[in-house]
Amino acid sequence: NAGVTQTPKFQVLKTGQSMTLQCAQDMNHNSMYWYRQDPGMGLRLIYYSASEGTTDKGEVPNGYNVSRLNKREFSLRLESAAPSQTSVYFCASRPGTGGKNEQFFGPGTRLTVL
Amino acid sequence: LAKTTQPISMDSYEGQEVNITCSHNNIATNDYITWYQQFPSQGPRFIIQGYKTKVTNEVASLFIPADRKSSTLSLPRVSLSDTAVYYCLVGDDTGRRALTFGSGTRLQVQP
Repeated sequence: NAGVTQTPKFQVLKTGQSMTLQCAQDMNHNSMYWYRQDPGMGLRLIYYSASEGTTDKGEVPNGYNVSRLNKREFSLRLESAAPSQTSVYFCASRPGTGGKNEQFFGPGTRLTVL
Repeated sequence: LAKTTQPISMDSYEGQEVNITCSHNNIATNDYITWYQQFPSQGPRFIIQGYKTKVTNEVASLFIPADRKSSTLSLPRVSLSDTAVYYCLVGDDTGRRALTFGSGTRLQVQP
């Protein structure tokens, strides 16, 4: 199993450009999450999907949109990138209801907006 | 979501036991307490989870008093490789509500 994969690993954008961060998991997990982590800070939740077909806003959803394409894939879109969105973006998944609150994280995407 | 409070940083030496305490005064009845570890340039990794009393696994122990308003992560005999940021999270296990990561505790282990 590859676990949680994210593409791309690195990206540089100019202000105003758009892009989509891709995330996929092969563990048949129900829930998926997108976080951002600014330098020296903790993780902040952007959006999450408790199950296929549902998405909900987290702490910092402004400037982002998400799509739960199917059970495996959860993408994050920046429509008009801003320098304040420079961060490391992590995708995570967890099995779903019941059991451990164990989220499995991807390797991250380092995004710089100039 | 229950708010958690942890020390910003801690220092230790190799071979010592490290205890990191987390305060969660407004924990709900259905909430579990979960700890994660994060190394630089990596995503967080699950360490341990508990509801009450004591939980132990191969890497850590988690102590939760009867009132559940705090918890303590205990790392026995730390090594340099335990240098990381440790996060305490509180939430139910339904997956319908996301857990919130705070700023965490930065543990530095010295030789």
